[in-house]
Amino acid sequence: QKEVEQDPGPLSVPEGAIVSLNCTYSNSAFQYFMWYRQYSRKGPELLMYTYSSGNKEDGRFTAQVDKSSKYISLFIRDSQPSDSATYLCAMGLTQGGSEKLVFGKGTKLTVNP
Amino acid sequence: DAGVTQSPTHLIKTRGQQVTLRCSPISGHKSVSWYQQVLGQGPQFIFQYYEKEERGRGNFPDRFSARQFPNYSSELNVNALLLGDSALYLCASRLSGANVLTFGAGSRLTVL
Repeated sequence: QKEVEQDPGPLSVPEGAIVSLNCTYSNSAFQYFMWYRQYSRKGPELLMYTYSSGNKEDGRFTAQVDKSSKYISLFIRDSQPSDSATYLCAMGLTQGGSEKLVFGKGTKLTVNP
Repeated sequence: DAGVTQSPTHLIKTRGQQVTLRCSPISGHKSVSWYQQVLGQGPQFIFQYYEKEERGRGNFPDRFSARQFPNYSSELNVNALLLGDSALYLCASRLSGANVLTFGAGSRLTVL
């Protein structure tokens, strides 16, 4: 079983739709949870960061973490064509002075005008 | 403010050659990490350096090595290149005590 599972899609939605992206993980030692957005041929860009169960909202984006189910989600409201990108979930771990992120495969999202 | 800068942007090598990739972190960031992103996959952790010391290493062969310099910039070296080393190599930096990684645009390596 992979440490982090993410449905790669692709996912195609009309402009204005609500988008739901999800990841599951198996390692209960993960301490913090992130969502990155990656445009084609660019580096990942941090969207959301949280370290506790519950919801965190930032504009049109809401990150949800359920540690008991080992499940995280990202919701995008009123999706725009500019949201078209690959969305990567990442789980963070600090261990013996080392800090690393374990990423999902990424979900490719297309928002159609 | 300059973000994380990486060079070269693109490069093509042949099997068996060696490559050096360079990274300059955000000013004030002392921790640098390297990730490999194969097409269609998420980034995979290779190394973390902090204050010039290796703090963590992912599941990569000894052909991969890195170092960090006194100005906190970093180099990733890959020897005896294989076709499977073709990927986007991402450098990321972090402020001390913070968990958030800021990534550069990456160096795209093609091995023929």
